[in-house]
Amino acid sequence: NAGVTQTPKFRILKIGQSMTLQCTQDMNHNYMYWYRQDPGMGLKLIYYSVGAGITDKGEVPNGYNVSRSTTEDFPLRLELAAPSQTSVYFCASSVNRGRGNEQFFGPGTRLTVL
Amino acid sequence: GNSVTQMEGPVTLSEEAFLTINCTYTATGYPSLFWYVQYPGEGLQLLLKATKADDKGSNKGFEATYRKETTSFHLEKGSVQVSDSAVYFCALSEGRSGGSNYKLTFGKGTLLTVNP
Repeated sequence: NAGVTQTPKFRILKIGQSMTLQCTQDMNHNYMYWYRQDPGMGLKLIYYSVGAGITDKGEVPNGYNVSRSTTEDFPLRLELAAPSQTSVYFCASSVNRGRGNEQFFGPGTRLTVL
Repeated sequence: GNSVTQMEGPVTLSEEAFLTINCTYTATGYPSLFWYVQYPGEGLQLLLKATKADDKGSNKGFEATYRKETTSFHLEKGSVQVSDSAVYFCALSEGRSGGSNYKLTFGKGTLLTVNP
């Protein structure tokens, strides 16, 4: 199993450009998540999904969109990039078996908006 | 709402020193508690967890005990190694029934550097 994979690893965008961060998991997990990690600020939840066709906002959703057409894929879309979106983005997945569910993280995408 | 407070870093130790990273939480329900570790250039991975009061999670020589009375989940290791250098995150998930226990709330992270 590859686990959770993310592409690209690095990207530089100009203000106003758009892009899609890709996330795929091969563990058949029903839950998937997108986080952003800013220096010294921990991880903030952007969006999450509890299954194909179902998504919901997290703590910091503004400026982002997601879709979940399959169990495996959960892309994150930035429509009009802004410098405030410079961050490291992590995708994660989990399966809901009750208390203490572990989330499995991808290696991250480092995005810089200039 | 839920929140997690970790001790501020960075923490710098010599090899074989004792490690404590403090973590306290605020939760409306009855949460599960986690420590995640992030090695340089990598994503987070679960280090240990505890799902009810007085449970002790342990892995790779690290331990943490779920203390409901003090709302704490401090991470400890008796003898750190250079390879333990990483960022450590304390986190909680909601404990409500009905399947809502999947979202994590993270602390800000503590950078640990272990010198030979």
